[in-house]
Amino acid sequence: AQTVTQSQPEMSVQEAETVTLSCTYDTSESDYYLFWYKQPPSRQMILVIRQEAYKQQNATENRFSVNFQKAAKSFSLKISDSQLGDAAMYFCAYRRDLGGGGSEKLVFGKGTKLTVNP
Amino acid sequence: EAQVTQNPRYLITVTGKKLTVTCSQNMNHEYMSWYRQDPGLGLRQIYYSMNVEVTDKGDVPEGYKVSRKEKRNFPLILESPSPNQTSLYFCASSLTGIWVGEQYFGPGTRLTVT
Repeated sequence: AQTVTQSQPEMSVQEAETVTLSCTYDTSESDYYLFWYKQPPSRQMILVIRQEAYKQQNATENRFSVNFQKAAKSFSLKISDSQLGDAAMYFCAYRRDLGGGGSEKLVFGKGTKLTVNP
Repeated sequence: EAQVTQNPRYLITVTGKKLTVTCSQNMNHEYMSWYRQDPGLGLRQIYYSMNVEVTDKGDVPEGYKVSRKEKRNFPLILESPSPNQTSLYFCASSLTGIWVGEQYFGPGTRLTVT
């Protein structure tokens, strides 16, 4: 079964600095998709960024970028120029590719709580 | 406005009293899913539905039922709630295929079972 591990329950960063959140996953699949979701205090889940496993290029969305290491099964999220509004729980998630067959599940890690200090 | 709505947002109930949490989406999405979120455990999938009349168990389906009679609605039913079902529940929807991971989430339902 696929598992997603976020080893940092909590992280903190100074405003305007850069922070990296870690995520590792376990899978025997070769094709899959990875995601980072943000959950601010409002509890709303918001998709931050996605990465296709077949793409070597790391995904980027404005100040958010990932470091995807397929062989190491690692998928970290880098937030540059951190802002107070970035304070939230961040969840890493894994989805297996449709072509692999089986159920279409989205498996989440346990989350990392990010605090941004002014 | 594209959205997923859940009702109620907050619910306190007693053990054994049947309840239903409704979920509706207005984006014509095929895929819908229910999750529960517990401290230290992240989000865990309860049930999901690939399309109307097709549902399947997630990782923690025990004690829950779902139905998908209409494309837009996917209610979560607790026939006999117990205190260990006290949790924050999220409904989500998405397109199918490669878009399943890009889910739109509802605002959440905080359920307390005493």
